[in-house]
Amino acid sequence: NAGVTQTPKFQVLKTGQSMTLQCAQDMNHEYMSWYRQDPGMGLRLIHYSVGAGITDQGEVPNGYNVSRSTTEDFPLRLLSAAPSQTSVYFCASSYSPGKPSPLHFGNGTRLTVT
Amino acid sequence: RKEVEQDPGPFNVPEGATVAFNCTYSNSASQSFFWYRQDCRKEPKLLMSVYSSGNEDGRFTAQLNRASQYISLLIRDSKLSDSATYLCAVNGGAQKLVFGQGTRLTINP
Repeated sequence: NAGVTQTPKFQVLKTGQSMTLQCAQDMNHEYMSWYRQDPGMGLRLIHYSVGAGITDQGEVPNGYNVSRSTTEDFPLRLLSAAPSQTSVYFCASSYSPGKPSPLHFGNGTRLTVT
Repeated sequence: RKEVEQDPGPFNVPEGATVAFNCTYSNSASQSFFWYRQDCRKEPKLLMSVYSSGNEDGRFTAQLNRASQYISLLIRDSKLSDSATYLCAVNGGAQKLVFGQGTRLTINP
């Protein structure tokens, strides 16, 4: 019963470094998404995917790349980390048969960029 | 105007009180509405979906007002364990869920 698994839980990067946040789900969900959560800003959608091979931008996509080569995995890549990307990142998935379904969230990744 | 707006609070209420939150949304075509609960430093978890006719789950009641474009959450007989941040979520088109900034609730003994 793993659900949505995110790794790592914590990460500290220096400005300009790159890294990939991993997200995997074992519920055969078609829809997967990445959000960032900052104090007072709520959850903001970065990128999402409605199925393998299909991705699209959310509200705050700049500085992030995604790919969806399998149904299970949806990694988020930071190409050149900036202090403004210090945040808590949540991956989420849902069944989504044609319309938004409740999201299942991972435990989050706390990222600090110095 | 933000797509989804909530009063961030904080709401401080005594144990046993009834408390209500509203969440307004701007996209009149929205079809799916949810309330999530988020504990400190944890991931959001689904509290309840919101149906057109309104729905109840124990002490929690959710309602949808399409004419005024808001959803509400009512908590009756509040418990200390209800202290959390409550997030509303509305579909913003193309299967995206847009979240409000959350309302922080503290139940005091």
